[in-house]
Amino acid sequence: EVQLVESGGDLVQPGGSLRLSCAASGFTFSNYAMSWVRQAPGKGLEWVSALGDGGTKTYYADSVKGRFTISRDISRNTLYLEMNSLRADDTAVYFCAKSPHGYGHLFHYWGQGTLVTVSS
Amino acid sequence: DIQMTQSPSSLSASVGDRVTITCRASQSISTYLNWYQQKPGKAPKLLIYGVSNVQSGVPSRFSGSGSGTDFTLTISSLQPEDFATYYCQHSYSSPPWTFGQGTKVEIK
Repeated sequence: EVQLVESGGDLVQPGGSLRLSCAASGFTFSNYAMSWVRQAPGKGLEWVSALGDGGTKTYYADSVKGRFTISRDISRNTLYLEMNSLRADDTAVYFCAKSPHGYGHLFHYWGQGTLVTVSS
Repeated sequence: DIQMTQSPSSLSASVGDRVTITCRASQSISTYLNWYQQKPGKAPKLLIYGVSNVQSGVPSRFSGSGSGTDFTLTISSLQPEDFATYYCQHSYSSPPWTFGQGTKVEIK
């Protein structure tokens, strides 16, 4: 059974940093593309960042480019999102999601999400 | 960037009703169109991928159609557990792989 479990969400001051983790199990982690998708309180879904299945290609939304870094540790089956220069509008629940082969970056498995609050 | 526009933003319907939600892409996305269902406090759930392929475990009352820029999600007979928010998303070519703004389906 595929499981994705996020952690690392917290209350952080504007300008601060945070690292989110997503522990994956139930599939061969190194073979699949993974993404982070966020949802601000009461708002819709926003794709944030993706890591290609080869582990080298990274993609970012313009809203986080230059501030966020996606990476993975295959030995730990864990996806990360390093977030720097955090702003109030980064406040959201952050979900990690797995993409299947084919059909592009769609998301067929999701974690439960972790809440990031940026506030002074 | 490709923009995804859903309509309506919300709708009220009764159990047993046929419900249709539309999604329009700002440019052609071929068949790279997906639909998700989200209930309050929960992660989204993939319903339909590649326009019309129903994800394993999703009831057959959910169906999708369309091509190019115009797409439709249909619920043939609305059930109590279907009251939720629905999002379309494109997975075509280059990022960002954007979502529509969502359609909230409420009980009439």
